[in-house]
Amino acid sequence: EPEVTQTPSHQVTQMGQEVILRCVPISNHLYFYWYRQILGQKVEFLVSFYNNEISEKSEIFDDQFSVERPDGSNFTLKIRSTKLEDSAMYFCASSMDSRTEAFFGQGTRLTVV
Amino acid sequence: GENVEQHPSTLSVQEGDSAVIKCTYSDSASNYFPWYKQELGKRPQLIIDIRSNVGEKKDQRIAVTLNKTAKHFSLHITETQPEDSAVYFCAASEGFSSGSARQLTFGSGTQLTVLP
Repeated sequence: EPEVTQTPSHQVTQMGQEVILRCVPISNHLYFYWYRQILGQKVEFLVSFYNNEISEKSEIFDDQFSVERPDGSNFTLKIRSTKLEDSAMYFCASSMDSRTEAFFGQGTRLTVV
Repeated sequence: GENVEQHPSTLSVQEGDSAVIKCTYSDSASNYFPWYKQELGKRPQLIIDIRSNVGEKKDQRIAVTLNKTAKHFSLHITETQPEDSAVYFCAASEGFSSGSARQLTFGSGTQLTVLP
């Protein structure tokens, strides 16, 4: 069964450093998403992406965040200057279209120290 | 924007009993309501979803009901088993009828524990 895959599974970074979280969506999917989940809290929407541009973004997704689809398979989330409060599990998701379910990756646990 | 409230936050049931988790949403434009199960340290996995054109959907031991007038939807698990123990999240989206990539707004989650 096809899966959304994310790398790395765990990333530790120093405050102020840039991080790039990588995702490979399911191959025939066209809609891509990033969510985050702070430990013990709900899953929160960050950004959605379709047709090579951002469709929606939340208040969390400020100027420190960016997304990119550098080639036909990868979908990346970059945090330019990490803060302690960016520590969370980051989930990538993809869906075939806007009317079908979103499949989640296994997540990247980001720890900012 | 959409706001999804979920209750209860924790739920313990005896194996074989039923479990019910309830969610309310605020945006009447929402038309897609999935439920995700998340085991500790793992990805959220879709277990059932319902669209606003139906009031109930069932898949084996799992059912979801939707009341659009009252803006609430519920997950029902019958004959619970220990492997049903997990955190369950409801979510809402208005993505079903639009052509853009619409976000899911999640509830705060319910920790379900099925006691053997």
